[in-house]
Amino acid sequence: GAVVSQHPSWVICKSGTSVKIECRSLDFQATTMFWYRQFPKQSLMLMATSNEGSKATYEQGVEKDKFLINHASLTLSTLTVTSAHPEDSSFYICSARKAGEKLFFGSGTQLSVL
Amino acid sequence: GESVGLHLPTLSVQEGDNSIINCAYSNSASDYFIWYKQESGKGPQFIIDIRSNMDKRQGQRVTVLLNKTVKHLSLQIAATQPGDSAVYFCAETYPSGGSYIPTFGRGTSLIVHP
Repeated sequence: GAVVSQHPSWVICKSGTSVKIECRSLDFQATTMFWYRQFPKQSLMLMATSNEGSKATYEQGVEKDKFLINHASLTLSTLTVTSAHPEDSSFYICSARKAGEKLFFGSGTQLSVL
Repeated sequence: GESVGLHLPTLSVQEGDNSIINCAYSNSASDYFIWYKQESGKGPQFIIDIRSNMDKRQGQRVTVLLNKTVKHLSLQIAATQPGDSAVYFCAETYPSGGSYIPTFGRGTSLIVHP
């Protein structure tokens, strides 16, 4: 099956620093990738849709200057949490769409901001 | 926005029993549906999908039923095993601005007792 690699799987950072999370589609080209955020025991909340070669589309309430998304190639999208604060601590998950609507997910990144 | 304060519904079953997990979706324009399994600390894993022109689809030990009239989706797991313990999410996708937006349901925690 298709593989989506997400890195890092776990990161701890100090408040005020920025953290970059990478999402790669390993065996297919993904024109669209999605970034989700998940709090404990809750569902996945779509943050933004990342389109290769164009600006990301952010969901209502998601600060685009806070969560910078770059989709520079057909196999790589990055999410940068800028000036992270403790309330940004969460589980972040990316997904990539292959051949239509089928979605495959990365393994997630647990971000802890101290 | 976020679902604040909501806890996942839980389904507890005995090993070997059949499990039925239900999901209500919201958008009548949704035409593609997916069930995912998520184990603790990991990204969602694709289980089975169904298009809106079908009302039933079977996989290995799993069956998805779709009732478009009442916007209801169910996942049936036959002969449930301890390894099936996880959180199960349904996702609906609907066309939006030339793309397809996947939106997740609340999720159900399945606990299988040996």
